[in-house]
Amino acid sequence: AQSVTQPDIHITVSEGASLELRCNYSYGATPYLFWYVQSPGQGLQLLLKYFSGDTLVQGIKGFEAEFKRSQSSFNLRKPSVHWSDAAEYFCAVVSNDYKLSFGAGTTVTVRA
Amino acid sequence: GAVVSQHPSWVICKSGTSVKIECRSLDFQATTMFWYRQFPKQSLMLMATSNEGSKATYEQGVEKDKFLINHASLTLSTLTVTSAHPEDSSFYICSALRDRVFGTEAFFGQGTRLTVV
Repeated sequence: AQSVTQPDIHITVSEGASLELRCNYSYGATPYLFWYVQSPGQGLQLLLKYFSGDTLVQGIKGFEAEFKRSQSSFNLRKPSVHWSDAAEYFCAVVSNDYKLSFGAGTTVTVRA
Repeated sequence: GAVVSQHPSWVICKSGTSVKIECRSLDFQATTMFWYRQFPKQSLMLMATSNEGSKATYEQGVEKDKFLINHASLTLSTLTVTSAHPEDSSFYICSALRDRVFGTEAFFGQGTRLTVV
């Protein structure tokens, strides 16, 4: 069965600094991978997704992620964070029947 | 992007009553919808798969008689929490699948926060 691991529970970053969130997956076939963001009390918003092709994926809000098959990783990055990026971030992998398995999430705190 | 609307956004109910949550795909048809549950400070856990015109498929450990799912049309799935108890208090999120030529994609509702008192 597919699974996702997000090793970092909580990350604190200064505004303007770069951010990288780690995601490792376990899936036998070619994975479909997603990153979602959840602001407090809100639903999920899709940041970006990887199906195939270019391993560097650009998303909304200035985020990007790189798929590395050799490392089974799909890390999310942003060169310069804004205070509004403080939120919970979830990595997810989808199975053939389109059920999503989510990682435990990483909470991002942005300090001024 | 596609829009999935979930209603209500939040609800407070008394213990023992039932609560219905609606999930609508506003600008596309969805033969498949999913219902997730999120406990505080935890990730989302899939509860069940809702298929239009057929019975829902529940994940292991989810009580189908307690969490009734109905997918009566291609744009609407409902989750009814029956005889709610405080331990059912949670954040419930639905997602709807949109089939496209270049791939299927899931869109999420904004979630429903249920508090049972």
